[in-house]
Amino acid sequence: KAGVTQTPRYLIKTRGQQVTLSCSPISGHRSVSWYQQTPGQGLQFLFEYFSETQRNKGNFPGRFSGRQFSNSRSEMNVSTLELGDSALYLCASSFSGTGYGYTFGSGTRLTVV
Amino acid sequence: AQTVTQSQPEMSVQEAETVTLSCTYDTSESDYYLFWYKQPPSRQMILVIRQEAYKQQNATENRFSVNFQKAAKSFSLKISDSQLGDAAMYFCAYRINNAGNMLTFGGGTRLMVKP
Repeated sequence: KAGVTQTPRYLIKTRGQQVTLSCSPISGHRSVSWYQQTPGQGLQFLFEYFSETQRNKGNFPGRFSGRQFSNSRSEMNVSTLELGDSALYLCASSFSGTGYGYTFGSGTRLTVV
Repeated sequence: AQTVTQSQPEMSVQEAETVTLSCTYDTSESDYYLFWYKQPPSRQMILVIRQEAYKQQNATENRFSVNFQKAAKSFSLKISDSQLGDAAMYFCAYRINNAGNMLTFGGGTRLMVKP
């Protein structure tokens, strides 16, 4: 059974650009959550999508957005990149809102220069 | 707001010995879950153990066990017979039940295992 797949694994972008990260959940999982991990702020929740609807949202500026497709794959987008957006972005999927089988991917390491 | 605090940035243990990682949390909710996750250099967060707040019995998974003190809002992880493969970052996390999949994490504890 394939795990949670995040692409790309590494990404370098220039300040001011935008970026799109992808997360393919485990087959059958309908919930996808995103987290940002930085040395200074630690792990912070970005948002959760369930059946194509945003269900929860963390305290991040509007430059951070996401969406979920009908096949449960999710993308997150960061516009007008800032140096502080350099981080490891993790996604996690689950079958439902109960967290059953909550599984993380290996993340995308984004570096903004 | 819910907060999770891990007061030990780094811990060290001798192989085969026992180590305890500390975690405290603050919440006004009564129905929640607590977790310990391990993050090795591969970056993937791996679930070590989970505890339902309504259960008084402490969770155990092989060499890993927790000491859950609900009144004190304390949730420590004990690793017995430490192995080299246990070396990693460990994160304590909290989730409110029936509120979706949103985890609040502590700052993490780096565990080093000495051979």
